[in-house]
Amino acid sequence: IVLTQSPATLSLSPGDRATLSCRASQSVSSYLAWYQQKPGQAPRLLIYGASNRATGIPTRFSGSGSGTDFTLTISSLEPEDFAVYYCQQRSDWPTFGGGTRVDIK
Amino acid sequence: QVQLVESGGGVVQPGRSLRLSCAASGFTFSDSAMHWLRQAPVKGLEWVAVISPDGRSQYYADSMKGQFTISRDNSKNTVYLQKKTLTTEDTAVYYCARDLTFGTMAQGYFDSWGQGAVVTVSS
Repeated sequence: IVLTQSPATLSLSPGDRATLSCRASQSVSSYLAWYQQKPGQAPRLLIYGASNRATGIPTRFSGSGSGTDFTLTISSLEPEDFAVYYCQQRSDWPTFGGGTRVDIK
Repeated sequence: QVQLVESGGGVVQPGRSLRLSCAASGFTFSDSAMHWLRQAPVKGLEWVAVISPDGRSQYYADSMKGQFTISRDNSKNTVYLQKKTLTTEDTAVYYCARDLTFGTMAQGYFDSWGQGAVVTVSS
């Protein structure tokens, strides 16, 4: 299953709302996760099951969608949120999207 | 707290073998399925393999079948990844990760990651 993320880069300011998209090549039901990765660090699980926040994840992160279209929303960007975000499906053997970089405008 | 520490990376010549280790602490290791993933600059994040909590079942990405071997030693809280013959395409950061397991149900998501082992295949 191929996951396509858009846009590739999102240039925003602190306090802005970020909307990231992930589209699957076939339905993955709600078996989708989102991860955040900062330079030199491993990815961190943010959202699983399309809309469930992982332990310790702030409420400004939310996920939605089902089937083939999913969205990660960051309601108000904090300075530490500028990073690369990946989606991952587990409907079949796990695959990842190519990532969306959120950088400072 | 959960800690995963990979070791065994480095610069390796093409054709040589690789054995990575991942030492786990801070949770009941024998209750969790464990995964290996890798991240190369060009190919991005790739899932490699998973092993069940008791070590009896292993599954591999289609492109990795027959190349990699995942194993674990629950007495040592350690999971391993082996590859017999390395090519330059195996150059990547290799991560071990814990499965987000609810009860006995592995979820196929990765809720804790190691810091990564850098493997560079070069002559």
